[in-house]
Amino acid sequence: DADVTQTPRNRITKTGKRIMLECSQTKGHDRMYWYRQDPGLGLRLIYYSFDVKDINKGEISDGYSVSRQAQAKFSLSLESAIPNQTALYFCATSDLVAGGQDTQYFGPGTRLTVL
Amino acid sequence: DAKTTQPTSMDCAEGRAANLPCNHSTISGNEYVYWYRQIHSQGPQYIIHGLKNNETNEMASLIITEDRKSSTLILPHATLRDTAVYYCIVRYNTDKLIFGTGTRLQVFP
Repeated sequence: DADVTQTPRNRITKTGKRIMLECSQTKGHDRMYWYRQDPGLGLRLIYYSFDVKDINKGEISDGYSVSRQAQAKFSLSLESAIPNQTALYFCATSDLVAGGQDTQYFGPGTRLTVL
Repeated sequence: DAKTTQPTSMDCAEGRAANLPCNHSTISGNEYVYWYRQIHSQGPQYIIHGLKNNETNEMASLIITEDRKSSTLILPHATLRDTAVYYCIVRYNTDKLIFGTGTRLQVFP
């Protein structure tokens, strides 16, 4: 979905390096999310943000940090990358609509390899 | 802590209907059933969701049993491009998504 973009799309880095993954959206949504996916597994939530001033940890936040620079931008950082953070990373956005329904739309993903 | 049970894999002939089942016997009254799919490491794609009534959109139909303990996603005329992993997710309306391992649907010519 071109409304949610992620950069870079692929990244190879070394253990101990600081890495930032960026997500931008033009959907005008308030809510943004970061997930990781390991081979053969479903997605797991790292962090989520319901608005610019609201940041929440997901189920696997250790070793990660995030920054919500604006409504449209949500960045994920690995302060000191380690090999078991090698994964596919997805950003998603959503908005609360009438009736309380909240559908998430995903970006194309960033494939990160930590050597 | 996925609240759903899905078959690991299914096959479907191109042009035929693909019926993907999902069991969610512990669903609570305010929880919705959502379906997403993921095509070969692309970002998951929203398909459809429902609460009690059957739902249909341009992609698929969702049939929810009267007791809401199970549901079926129907792709009426499967194509090769529908080959993907399909995730059935039960969630309260604003909860985070919890992805299980899904059903790998293979559509063959």
